[in-house]
Amino acid sequence: ETGVTQTPRHLVMGMTNKKSLKCEQHLGHNAMYWYKQSAKKPLELMFVYNFKEQTENNSVPSRFSPECPNSSHLFLHLHTLQPEDSALYLCASSQEIAGGTYEQYFGPGTRLTVT
Amino acid sequence: AQSVTQLGSHVSVSEGALVLLRCNYSSSVPPYLFWYVQYPNQGLQLLLKYTSAATLVKGINGFEAEFKKSETSFHLTKPSAHMSDAAEYFCAVKGWRTPLVFGKGTRLSVIA
Repeated sequence: ETGVTQTPRHLVMGMTNKKSLKCEQHLGHNAMYWYKQSAKKPLELMFVYNFKEQTENNSVPSRFSPECPNSSHLFLHLHTLQPEDSALYLCASSQEIAGGTYEQYFGPGTRLTVT
Repeated sequence: AQSVTQLGSHVSVSEGALVLLRCNYSSSVPPYLFWYVQYPNQGLQLLLKYTSAATLVKGINGFEAEFKKSETSFHLTKPSAHMSDAAEYFCAVKGWRTPLVFGKGTRLSVIA
């Protein structure tokens, strides 16, 4: 595997279900991100992990719970979601360095439908 | 805080015509600027980036962008559109130690 992978690619879940999205990066990066992409809305940054530590949480509802066990893996745990949470969830990674930044590399996304 | 404005949510060009996608940014510090492309049902792919080296940046698939500080712009161009260029394009800005901020995107349609 190369780049950033995400599983599953598609997920349909009921509002009472619990599921998890998985992201893995094979690039040796030290930062990972979760984004939400909804129709007709700009990309929304949800969570940022730098060196496995969460450094950003953009007022995301508690029904979304991130986990970063190591610098290569990132999870998004989902529970009691709402229909408006249906969206494409994108994972990204980058190499953050002091005094500069490198571009983010994105995975293919997980298309989530909440019924 | 940084912000990005992409003028035109939808741009349509004929095959072989010039592609021009506009992006203006707001940043209180010298920014890093990026253009990404997203094909249907896929993630975002980096087209090119500006990181304070040359103001004219060449990217993949024949695209290029010019950083104009006086106009706070970073417009994306391609001399001749191809059918395969039809996609959603996102401009993004980042400062040091600040998150990457995306524009709302511009959907490019290419007409045969």
